Amino acid sequence: KAGVTQTPRYLIKTRGQQVTLSCSPISGHRSVSWYQQTPGQGLQFLFEYFSETQRNKGNFPGRFSGRQFSNSRSEMNVSTLELGDSALYLCASSLSFARLNTEAFFGQGTRLTVV
Amino acid sequence: AQSVTQLDSQVPVFEEAPVELRCNYSSSVSVYLFWYVQYPNQGLQLLLKYLSGSTLVESINGFEAEFNKSQTSFHLRKPSVHISDTAEYFCAVSEGRDDKIIFGKGTRLHILP
Repeated sequence: KAGVTQTPRYLIKTRGQQVTLSCSPISGHRSVSWYQQTPGQGLQFLFEYFSETQRNKGNFPGRFSGRQFSNSRSEMNVSTLELGDSALYLCASSLSFARLNTEAFFGQGTRLTVV
Repeated sequence: AQSVTQLDSQVPVFEEAPVELRCNYSSSVSVYLFWYVQYPNQGLQLLLKYLSGSTLVESINGFEAEFNKSQTSFHLRKPSVHISDTAEYFCAVSEGRDDKIIFGKGTRLHILP
């Protein structure tokens, strides 16, 4: 079956602009998590959605937001982009939020460059 | 709040030599522990996980990790590495059934010929 699909793979934006990234989870998966990966900070948790509801949120400013649709697809939005937002944004999907019996599957990420 | 420390950002090792990637965590409650691997230009893949039971867990490609509660560690080991093991390895922790997974900053494994 198809894996986690993130679009676009690469993106270049200018400071001050906003951007929307998309994640399509594996069919049947209802939980989607977003992470920001940078060389200095590693992977930092942004937020997690399950059944269209945000269940967990990391320590990011309000410029970072997300949502999940009824088909489990998720989008994250970053407004008023800053140079420091340049990163690889990874999406992970799992059957549910219960860690015991589920595994998170990651997409290949969207590489965002802010200039 | 839980946190994960990977002490080595890069580890060079000769092919067929043993390797240990260190991971320490901090948490006030019981935890679930994971190792993920990221090959170049790819997303993360689960390598192995500790949820409960035996403190030694193994992956299908020869890696193993041991949960040590007293030392709050979950080090990853392989007795003989291969060039195909070149990747970045992330240790991660989750405090509960439905808590978020927190990752360490990663250790880049370089296999020397």
